[in-house]
Amino acid sequence: GAGVSQSPSNKVTEKGKDVELRCDPISGHTALYWYRQSLGQGLEFLIYFQGNSAPDKSGLPSDRFSAERTGGSVSTLTIQRTQQEDSAVYLCASSLLLGELFFGEGSRLTVL
Amino acid sequence: AQRVTQPEKLLSVFKGAPVELKCNYSYSGSPELFWYVQYSRQRLQLLLRHISRESIKGFTADLNKGETSFHLKKPFAQEEDSAMYYCALSDSWGKLQFGAGTQVVVTP
Repeated sequence: GAGVSQSPSNKVTEKGKDVELRCDPISGHTALYWYRQSLGQGLEFLIYFQGNSAPDKSGLPSDRFSAERTGGSVSTLTIQRTQQEDSAVYLCASSLLLGELFFGEGSRLTVL
Repeated sequence: AQRVTQPEKLLSVFKGAPVELKCNYSYSGSPELFWYVQYSRQRLQLLLRHISRESIKGFTADLNKGETSFHLKKPFAQEEDSAMYYCALSDSWGKLQFGAGTQVVVTP
């Protein structure tokens, strides 16, 4: 594909349920980032992958959040036992050059 | 601590007027700074980076280490410049710390 692809684009779930968000980065991009965008909080860093390893996961808000990346490509962000404060747009980005991130369109999560 | 400050939440300008978006940063190392833009219903995208020192869509930004600033400027705003603009600071991993963003509205 030409750009970073994320799915689902929209997810509505009930409080307490688990959700999985998927990111397909640009082919060949070794770095992958997850951010969260919400009103009043701006753009928050969640986790960074270089290849399959995550040297920086300092932004994950709690142990309900986890992420993995396999084959140096696709990444999945999992949120367990969702809470209403998890409602946000989750953005994935990939990169080849330092600081030059290519973002996906995001997955909008609504927790009822 | 690493921090990016964009003091203006909203900037409203008339078409053809100059526009300047302020960005200040704090960083202990040698900063790598960027401006990202998000147009309505589009994905967040890179506008420019300080190291390239180029003009994109008429925008320029100069890194001033003495004032720890990286303000974005355009001499003549166009309606298509209406968007959300984010200043960002990169660490050594390429992880970006974003400012809170400035919404620019250009009115005819």
